[in-house]
Amino acid sequence: QITLKESGPTLVKPTQSLTLTCSFSGFSLSTPGVGVGWVRQPPGKAPEWLALVYWDDDKRYSPSLKSRLTITKDTSTNQVVLRVTNVDHLDTATYYCTHISGVYNNDYWGPGTLVTVSS
Amino acid sequence: QSALTQPPSASGSPGQSVTISCTGTSSDVGTYDYVSWYQQYPGKAPKLMIYEVSKRPSGVPDRFSGSKSGNTASLTVSGLQAEDEADYYCSAYAGRNKLLFGGGTKLTVL
Repeated sequence: QITLKESGPTLVKPTQSLTLTCSFSGFSLSTPGVGVGWVRQPPGKAPEWLALVYWDDDKRYSPSLKSRLTITKDTSTNQVVLRVTNVDHLDTATYYCTHISGVYNNDYWGPGTLVTVSS
Repeated sequence: QSALTQPPSASGSPGQSVTISCTGTSSDVGTYDYVSWYQQYPGKAPKLMIYEVSKRPSGVPDRFSGSKSGNTASLTVSGLQAEDEADYYCSAYAGRNKLLFGGGTKLTVL
């Protein structure tokens, strides 16, 4: 049974960095073809894909946010971390981590964590 | 404005069929067969309903089907049930590290 869960701060000040952790179980990020990604969804709006990391440490980023994102994996602890630098109010959203199979196929999602950017 | 265009709303009576469209371009939907559909209830995470245009994950009822023609993908829900009332989002791989989402369609079961 694949499960994922996001954790991190609920409130971040503008210009600060945001660090989110995805803890997962039911699969290994060492298995060929498997990845973990991040998607965010501002309140009342559509989801937006952010980044992913594959089993072989291949990392992909949304071109529009690439300069502000860093994704890392720790296979030994079954965790993936996403860092977002220089946040502003437009980064207020529910952040989801996802299990990925195939080509960017987000087939399992965590429950999400709401992050608010405000001073 | 989202990169993929969906109608904001769709509706149908129980038992009927409804189709939701997702229009992209020749750079995404028109080129790659990596179109997915997600169902989302309020306050919940999206759930994958269709992937690679027309494939259903295990556990998804066969009332849900997907197709694609040119730059437009479609999700059809047959035999509508009250529990199908939700928001539906399409996504499409666009190459060069791009995964696009549609703006979402609110499906109402009358």
